Amino acid sequence: DAGITQSPRHKVTETGTPVTLRCHQTENHRYMYWYRQDPGHGLRLIHYSYGVKDTDKGEVSDGYSVSRSKTEDFLLTLESATSSQTSVYFCAISESGGYNSPLHFGNGTRLTVT
Amino acid sequence: KNEVEQSPQNLTAQEGEFITINCSYSVGISALHWLQQHPGGGIVSLFMLSSGKKKHGRLIATINIQEKHSSLHITASHPRDSAVYICAVRDYNTDKLIFGTGTRLQVFP
Repeated sequence: DAGITQSPRHKVTETGTPVTLRCHQTENHRYMYWYRQDPGHGLRLIHYSYGVKDTDKGEVSDGYSVSRSKTEDFLLTLESATSSQTSVYFCAISESGGYNSPLHFGNGTRLTVT
Repeated sequence: KNEVEQSPQNLTAQEGEFITINCSYSVGISALHWLQQHPGGGIVSLFMLSSGKKKHGRLIATINIQEKHSSLHITASHPRDSAVYICAVRDYNTDKLIFGTGTRLQVFP
């Protein structure tokens, strides 16, 4: 299994509080992604990174920010959590961004915003 | 209409049955992925293919580029195959991955 660790695995927080989710990889892969998974939707891309300090927005980036100061860590921050951000969040990595590069996923973080 | 449609949404089977899950897409693609997600668990990549057929153990994935369709087959199904199976395509023009909503499979002993 690819070495991807997400923390925390579960989080309950109140509306308006800041939350940071962490993704840590030991594979030295260049690309890292944050997705959210909600009932009735396929996985949706929030943000991704193609190198240290290089990030870009996905299709559902509003309300989220990311940072990547080291190859191995990709942080997702909800500056002021809202109930609509209750979801399961998955981190993924790939060696390159090319079409033939497989994705490896973490085990997910279940976030509940009350 | 979603760009990636999976059918069926839910599937139940008896142990030993042959299973087929379908994925249809509407965009030009450079690759198609099949993923497996166990309840409460992470997501595992099963196959990545751009043409033809791939086999791994009891799992077989096929793709027909002209018809924009892929199938995932499970032979001699087992209760441990119970999971959600997700199809995802990489859009040839945008290079983005588009995910289907998944097929929930339950295999009973």
